[in-house]
Amino acid sequence: NAGVTQTPKFQVLKTGQSMTLQCAQDMNHNSMYWYRQDPGMGLRLIYYSASEGTTDKGEVPNGYNVSRLNKREFSLRLESAAPSQTSVYFCASTTGQSYGHEQFFGPGTRLTVL
Amino acid sequence: AQKITQTQPGMFVQEKEAVTLDCTYDTSDPSYGLFWYKQPSSGEMIFLIYQGSYDQQNATEGRYSLNFQKARKSANLVISASQLGDSAMYFCAMREDVYDMRFGAGTRLTVKP
Repeated sequence: NAGVTQTPKFQVLKTGQSMTLQCAQDMNHNSMYWYRQDPGMGLRLIYYSASEGTTDKGEVPNGYNVSRLNKREFSLRLESAAPSQTSVYFCASTTGQSYGHEQFFGPGTRLTVL
Repeated sequence: AQKITQTQPGMFVQEKEAVTLDCTYDTSDPSYGLFWYKQPSSGEMIFLIYQGSYDQQNATEGRYSLNFQKARKSANLVISASQLGDSAMYFCAMREDVYDMRFGAGTRLTVKP
């Protein structure tokens, strides 16, 4: 099992460019998440998908859109990148059936917006 | 409002000694879960240990234990017999409902040889 995979690992964008971060999991998990990690702030939830076909906003959704393509895949799109979106982005998944289950994380995408 | 507070930005410990990383949380929900994750310099997030709000006993996983004091709303991570490989960022997190998990700002632990 690969667990949670993310592509790309690194990306540099210019202000105003768009891009999509890809995430896939092979653990048959129902729920998937996108976080951003900034220095000194821990991880903050951008969007989540409780189950296939549903998505909801997290703590910091502005400037992002998501798509739950199927049970395995959850993508994050930046329509018009801004320097404030320079961050490390993590995708995570969990069975999602109760608060007692840990989340499994992908390796992260380091994004720089110039 | 900050839900998870980790007051120690950085900690040092001598190899083979024990260390406690502090975490306090804020919730009015009686049902919640508390988690600790390790993030080494390579960047991945590694799950370490979990404590449920109704668990009577402190959680343990190998050299990791969670000192859960419910009335004080604290969930400190204790690492016994520190190893050089324990040097990393450590994050405390809380899950109040099924889908939302909040993280603290983290503590950077450095193990000295």
